[in-house]
Amino acid sequence: DTGVSQNPRHKITKRGQNVTFRCDPISEHNRLYWYRQTLGQGPEFLTYFQNEAQLEKSRLLSDRFSAERPKGSFSTLEIQRTEQGDSAMYLCASSPGDSVYEQYFGPGTRLTVT
Amino acid sequence: AQSVTQLDSQVPVFEEAPVELRCNYSSSVSVYLFWYVQYPNQGLQLLLKYLSGSTLVESINGFEAEFNKSQTSFHLRKPSVHISDTAEYFCAVRNFYNTDKLIFGTGTRLQVFP
Repeated sequence: DTGVSQNPRHKITKRGQNVTFRCDPISEHNRLYWYRQTLGQGPEFLTYFQNEAQLEKSRLLSDRFSAERPKGSFSTLEIQRTEQGDSAMYLCASSPGDSVYEQYFGPGTRLTVT
Repeated sequence: AQSVTQLDSQVPVFEEAPVELRCNYSSSVSVYLFWYVQYPNQGLQLLLKYLSGSTLVESINGFEAEFNKSQTSFHLRKPSVHISDTAEYFCAVRNFYNTDKLIFGTGTRLQVFP
């Protein structure tokens, strides 16, 4: 059983460029979550899906951010026109369904915007 | 809205000494409570959780936490720490209703010295 995987693990981009991250959840987990973690802070919730439906979005998710889970399996998080303030670790997690289940986290994608 | 406060950003301790990592939360509704651990270069892992029932919950590696509703606290304790417990520990809450969103504290770095 593989855990949650995220690609790429590291991404360096120039300000103004678009970036896309991918998350593959644990097989048969129907809930998928995105969080962002900056240095010295705890993870901050961005959004989550049940299957392909996006159930909740944080106000942190500005118009430049979009997340999709088109077939209810993997998910992508796209950031358009990146800014230096977007530099962070982007974490993905999945869970089997009911909200009291543990959220299993991936290793994260570290984004550096120069 | 909920919030989580971890007052201690770092806790240095010698091996085999007891440790307490403090967590206080604020919420206008009932919550579930969690402790996650992040070992160096690894993803977040659930350490223990309080959903209901007994206010004292234990992990498989000797940690325990007690939910105190009157003090809105969920402190993490271990009577005797090991070098391998060196990690970042995050307290998190989730409200009972209508969301899977986890609200994390800023984390406490536990450094165990020989």
